[in-house]
This record gives sequence, C-alpha cells and structure tokens, in this order.
Amino acid sequence: QQQVKQSPQSLIVQKGGISIINCAYENTAFDYFPWYQQFPGKGPALLIAIRPDVSEKKEGRFTISFNKSAKQFSLHIMDSQPGDSATYFCAASITGKLIFGQGTELSVKP
Amino acid sequence: GAGVSQSPRYKVAKRGQDVALRCDPISGHVSLFWYQQALGQGPEFLTYFQNEAQLDKSGLPSDRFFAERPEGSVSTLKIQRTQQEDSAVYLCASSPRLAGDPYNEQFFGPGTRLTVL
Repeated sequence: QQQVKQSPQSLIVQKGGISIINCAYENTAFDYFPWYQQFPGKGPALLIAIRPDVSEKKEGRFTISFNKSAKQFSLHIMDSQPGDSATYFCAASITGKLIFGQGTELSVKP
Repeated sequence: GAGVSQSPRYKVAKRGQDVALRCDPISGHVSLFWYQQALGQGPEFLTYFQNEAQLDKSGLPSDRFFAERPEGSVSTLKIQRTQQEDSAVYLCASSPRLAGDPYNEQFFGPGTRLTVL
C-alpha cells in the first residue's frame, strides 16, 4: 500500500515531441506528489510538485496532471529537448518522507 | 549557494568492514533524510532527523545500520559488518521545513556509491 507504481520504464521521444510518464498509488494518506529528475552520477533534483487538492500544475514545459479519484498522476514534458534526457522519478509524501516510483529513463533523440 | 554535500563520493569496502558516510546539509536546514538507491531503482527511505532528533528510522534495513546527527547539522550514516547487499548509492537530502511537513521540498546531495566486495 506504500508503493508508487511508475510507467513506462523507458521512453524514447523525438526532439520537439511530448514525453508522458505515469504514476499510480494506493495509499490515500499520501499528501504531496513531487517529480524528480536525475542525471547519471547526480542526486535527484526537484522538477515540479503538486498537492492533492489541485488537478493540474504547469511550470514552463513541465505539467503535472493529478486525478485524485483514480489515484493517478502524470508528468508531461512539452517540446522535449535532448537536454531533458535523464531518469525521472515520481514520488509521494507521507509524514514528510518520500516514497519513490521505480523511475523512467527518458531519451530525447535530436 | 552551497548545496548538500556528501563524502566520500565513492567507497569500496571488504565484506565485514564498518563504513561511515557523511552528509553536510544546506546551512540552516532543519530536516535531514537518508535514502538508499539500488542500481536502476528509485531511492528508498531509510531515516530522518528534525534537528538532532531522529524521528523515524523505520526504513533502516537492519540493526547494522545506524545514523546520527548529534548537533543538528552534519549527519553520519554508519553501516557495521557490511554485506554485499549493502552495495548501493546512499543519498542524503535536507529541507528547511519540519520533517513531518507534507510540502517538504527535499534537496538531495550527489550521494555516496558504496561497493562491498
């Protein structure tokens, strides 16, 4: 019940395309949903986050869509660029600690 | 400004050795978290501190793992009698908010890659 399931495991997108990563959870006690970006050899960096009382949040090319009733949320990266190539993790917070998804390795082809 | 730093960046230990991993959080950050990241997986929660108090250690995998933050700043994760399954990247994160705050933006360090031979 503490799990966060993330898909797909890997994703290849052409430059300029839209990248979509999906996550699902079971525990309704989760109260904050951040997305992290991680480059090889680096720690995760916060990209964007959403609270469960909001259905969508947009920051630049990055948008989170949140469906509370379905217990699902997704990250959309518009106009994907080669520099976006990284591993993306969704997460859910409970009592401040983060439960991470398994990660999506995104490759944006020029 | 300076972010979260961790040392050493890489550690190779022989099975059975004790190791100590250090985390220097962002100055003034109240909360400090430790995560373990196995190869190709997402980080998994180990423990967290609010100032010097260890509020949750439910993620520590065994009693060989011990963490401390005696003065509410630098933290050390110690692993005794290391085993091969301890090989992973150990990430530290800090936050300016209280540890239990749900909207707790956590800033991660680069991690320490531990390899146990």
